[in-house]
Amino acid sequence: DQQVKQNSPSLSVQEGRISILNCDYTNSMFDYFLWYKKYPAEGPTFLISISSIKDKNEDGRFTVFLNKSAKHLSLHIVPSQPGDSAVYFCAAKGRSGGSNYKLTFGKGTLLTVNP
Amino acid sequence: GAGVSQSPSNKVTEKGKDVELRCDPISGHTALYWYRQSLGQGLEFLIYFQGNSAPDKSGLPSDRFSAERTGGSVSTLTIQRTQQEDSAVYLCASSLLRQVDTGELFFGEGSRLTVL
Repeated sequence: DQQVKQNSPSLSVQEGRISILNCDYTNSMFDYFLWYKKYPAEGPTFLISISSIKDKNEDGRFTVFLNKSAKHLSLHIVPSQPGDSAVYFCAAKGRSGGSNYKLTFGKGTLLTVNP
Repeated sequence: GAGVSQSPSNKVTEKGKDVELRCDPISGHTALYWYRQSLGQGLEFLIYFQGNSAPDKSGLPSDRFSAERTGGSVSTLTIQRTQQEDSAVYLCASSLLRQVDTGELFFGEGSRLTVL
C-alpha cells in the first residue's frame, strides 16, 4: 500500500513558466513533508520541507503548499529553468513516536523544462 | 571528500553470490541510513543507524540482508545469496542528529546492483 503517491510520472513545461508537482498521502500520522530533487547518476538532494502546522513554505523560486484536510501537497517552481529538469520525490515522516527517522517516499515525477 | 561516498558504484553479480556495499558518511554525521530504489519505484527504507547501533532493522527485506556500522563511521550492507529481485540502486545517506527530526538527509550517489 503506497502511503505517498505521486500520480504524474512526468511533467513537461516551458522555461519561464510555472511547474506544479503534486503529491498525495494517506497516513494521517505524517506531520512533516519534504521534497527531494535527483539528477541522473546522483543521489537525491534535499530541496524544501514543510511542517503540518503550516500551509505554505517558500524558498526563492520554490514554494510548497500543504492541504492537510485533503492530504495533499504541491511544489511550485516559478519561473522554471532548464536546470530544474530532474526527478522530484515527495517524502513524508512522522516527527513523534519511535520511527521519526524514517522517510516514506513517492515514486517521483520527472520534470523536463524546455528552453 | 565532503559528501557521502559509496562503493562500488556498479556491481554485477550472479544469482546466489554474496555482495557487500560500502558507505562512508559525511564526517561528524552520527545518523546513517540505507535506502534502496528498485526500477520504477520510490526510495524504500532499509535500516537506520544512530552511532553504531541500529534500533530499527524492520526495513531489511529478508534475513539475507544485514548491515553493520563500526567506529560510528563506515557502514557495510551485505546481501547473501543474491536474488534477481535484489537488483536495485542502494542509497546511503547520513545526517546530524538534529536533522533526523527534520528529515534533511545527505545522500550518496548510490551503488547500482544487478543480479543476473
